[in-house]
Amino acid sequence: KNEVEQSPQNLTAQEGEFITINCSYSVGISALHWLQQHPGGGIVSLFMLSSGKKKHGRLIATINIQEKHSSLHITASHPRDSAVYICAVSLNNDMRFGAGTRLTVKP
Amino acid sequence: DSGVTQTPKHLITATGQRVTLRCSPRSGDLSVYWYQQSLDQGLQFLIQYYNGEERAKGNILERFSAQQFPDLHSELNLSSLELGDSALYFCASSPGLAGFTGELFFGEGSRLTVL
Repeated sequence: KNEVEQSPQNLTAQEGEFITINCSYSVGISALHWLQQHPGGGIVSLFMLSSGKKKHGRLIATINIQEKHSSLHITASHPRDSAVYICAVSLNNDMRFGAGTRLTVKP
Repeated sequence: DSGVTQTPKHLITATGQRVTLRCSPRSGDLSVYWYQQSLDQGLQFLIQYYNGEERAKGNILERFSAQQFPDLHSELNLSSLELGDSALYFCASSPGLAGFTGELFFGEGSRLTVL
């Protein structure tokens, strides 16, 4: 079993829909990262969380340390949000990645 | 633009060869991280350098090595290349030592194809 599990693997939405991507982990972590990878391959860091909730524009990320679970929400989704979203956890001097969630937002 | 520069963007080579990938971090960032992204393994952390010193090691093969120079740029050396080494190699930088708990800034990646 992977230490970082993401769901769903693939997600197709209509423009304007509210989207949730989930990440569960099985190890003790110091932080959790949400990354966005566009079709061209480049990676952008969206959030780094160690507790609570963060918001940036239409993106919201939450983490529940006790339940070892994080969610990434996208409100009013847009075709430009189409990308692979990757959850990563920071351990002591290491980092583990989920397999990613491929999001397609249709106009 | 993250401010992190990786070269080359694409590289095609043959099995058994050696290549060097280069990364220039954001201005002022002291930490550099290397990652490998392959189709079967996904993203994996390879190694971290902080201000010229190795600080953390992940799933880096013995055939691979890295270093960070006094001007803070870093190089990842891949030798005795195998077909399975074909992957995207990313570099990221962060301001301090605790990059694992801070924001990471990624380069565009170097795509290595081993034939």
